Amino acid sequence: QKEVEQNSGPLSVPEGAIASLNCTYSDRVSQSFFWYRQYSGKSPELIMSIYSNGDKEDGRFTAQLNKASQYVSLLIRDSQPSDSATYLCAVSPGAGSYQLTFGKGTKLSVIP
Amino acid sequence: GAGVSQTPSNKVTEKGKYVELRCDPISGHTALYWYRQSLGQGPEFLIYFQGTGAADDSGLPNDRFFAVRPEGSVSTLKIQRTERGDSAVYLCASSWSSGTDTQYFGPGTRLTVL
Repeated sequence: QKEVEQNSGPLSVPEGAIASLNCTYSDRVSQSFFWYRQYSGKSPELIMSIYSNGDKEDGRFTAQLNKASQYVSLLIRDSQPSDSATYLCAVSPGAGSYQLTFGKGTKLSVIP
Repeated sequence: GAGVSQTPSNKVTEKGKYVELRCDPISGHTALYWYRQSLGQGPEFLIYFQGTGAADDSGLPNDRFFAVRPEGSVSTLKIQRTERGDSAVYLCASSWSSGTDTQYFGPGTRLTVL
């Protein structure tokens, strides 16, 4: 059974700090990895996607992927109160099968 | 342009009733997905359409759930003989094609079965 594991949190960081969110997955053939942000009562919003080992940066966000360790992470630099949300890690096998398997999400709280 | 839209936004029904949930994907998107999200959980895959056909329905929990997409655009998720355990937010997502992974989610339909 495909599983995606995340620490449910809550993770509290002070404003301006770096927030580090982690995710592990069980299916070794997974090819595509995503981080979604979900505000309370809202639908998931794509933040980052990553497909190959290493780092991918977009503004204050950096996604990191290590396929050998089956590990993906999201770093948020200069955290803002508006970053307070639940962050969902999602994994897709790709190669013709594009259903996303989600983790339960990590709730992030940025304290002003 | 317009995003994914879903109707109704909220649906309250009684146990045993039949419900239909509608999804209108982003214009031009050929791939459409249904997910279900229970409180405190991540979205759970239900079914995926490529065009008019269901390419993968492995996530449908049982035969009370059925989905159609007759013209390759709007999709309807149908739930027969609803049960209290069906209560959840039903999310629809679309993407350009099966070769593009980025899925854009609609606002969801909150289904409550009394």
